[in-house]
Amino acid sequence: AQTVTQSQPEMSVQEAETVTLSCTYDTSENNYYLFWYKQPPSRQMILVIRQEAYKQQNATENRFSVNFQKAAKSFSLKISDSQLGDTAMYFCAFMGSIIQGAQKLVFGQGTRLTINP
Amino acid sequence: AAGVIQSPRHLIKEKRETATLKCYPIPRHDTVYWYQQGPGQDPQFLISFYEKMQSDKGSIPDRFSAQQFSDYHSELNMSSLELGDSALYFCASSLEGLAGEQETQYFGPGTRLLVL
Repeated sequence: AQTVTQSQPEMSVQEAETVTLSCTYDTSENNYYLFWYKQPPSRQMILVIRQEAYKQQNATENRFSVNFQKAAKSFSLKISDSQLGDTAMYFCAFMGSIIQGAQKLVFGQGTRLTINP
Repeated sequence: AAGVIQSPRHLIKEKRETATLKCYPIPRHDTVYWYQQGPGQDPQFLISFYEKMQSDKGSIPDRFSAQQFSDYHSELNMSSLELGDSALYFCASSLEGLAGEQETQYFGPGTRLLVL
């Protein structure tokens, strides 16, 4: 079974700083997908970024980028120029690849990120 | 853009009562997932449906059942409610991609269930 580990329960940085959230996972699959979801105090789950394992290029979405190290099974999220609105719980999630149908997400324990003014 | 709709948004029930949660996926999405998030925990997968057929099952109690209807909406039925069922229940939807490409799951706002 796949497992996802986020070793940083909480992080805190000043506004405009850069912060990196860590995530490691364990799988025997070669093709899979990795995600970062953000959960603000409203508790809505919001997709931040997605990475396909077969793609060597790291995904980027505006101020958010990932460092995907397939051999090391590491998938960290970097937030540049952090903003107060980035304050949230961040979940790393793994999804395997199957031929057809639905594939569940397996989440890490989450990292609570606080951006201070 | 249209998002996943869940109803009700909040629900308060007594122990041993029954609850029904509804999920309306993003238009054209054919796959629905249900997750349960307890206080201070990460979401846990319960069950999923693809093209109205159950696709996968996770840690869903036997007291719970779910189905996906012909219009692709889904309902999660919860019976004999227990205090421990108090949680945030998410529905997510996705579109089965071409050539086995797994599409992203988009989450609804969740239903907050409180069992007293």
